[in-house]
Amino acid sequence: GEDVEQSLFLSVREGDSSVINCTYTDSSSTYLYWYKQEPGAGLQLLTYIFSNMDMKQDQRLTVLLNKKDKHLSLRIADTQTGDSAIYFCAESMNTGFQKLVFGTGTRLLVSP
Amino acid sequence: NAGVTQTPKFQVLKTGQSMTLQCAQDMNHNSMYWYRQDPGMGLRLIYYSASEGTTDKGEVPNGYNVSRLNKREFSLRLESAAPSQTSVYFCASSDRDRGSTFFGQGTRLTVV
Repeated sequence: GEDVEQSLFLSVREGDSSVINCTYTDSSSTYLYWYKQEPGAGLQLLTYIFSNMDMKQDQRLTVLLNKKDKHLSLRIADTQTGDSAIYFCAESMNTGFQKLVFGTGTRLLVSP
Repeated sequence: NAGVTQTPKFQVLKTGQSMTLQCAQDMNHNSMYWYRQDPGMGLRLIYYSASEGTTDKGEVPNGYNVSRLNKREFSLRLESAAPSQTSVYFCASSDRDRGSTFFGQGTRLTVV
């Protein structure tokens, strides 16, 4: 079955790097995603990585994928107070549409 | 450019009442989804519609029905609301591009 796990909480200081981790169990997952949810809002797609990639960088965001260990991480460089939110990782299999399985979410708190 | 629009944003129901959550997307996406979000459990898929004219059960379909009214609209119905259905409900849509699932702003439903 599919299961995606994340730690519940992370606290960092402004300017530091944040690393949010995720593990998944479904080896058939083809795409892995990071979503951001601000208070009272929907989910915003931050980035995604295809399962045959090891790393993807997009401005302050770096995604690392260790497919052998089924471990995904999101690094946010120079974390800002505006990055405070809940971050969800999600996986989907190679189907014609995106049936996403989400982790429980990591609440990131950035203090000045 | 509205994206995914859900109505209502907030609703309080009494146990046993029925209601329909409405969702519409203006991005010409083929697939639409209903998720519920509960504290500590991430988002779980209730129902989805891979394409116009089809609907399928997700992870937690009991107590819900859906209608894919046309390509734009996908509604979620609670026939007899129960307190266990107190949650935040998100509608989403996607097309074949793996990175393009878009979420609505959510409906916060309380069943008393």
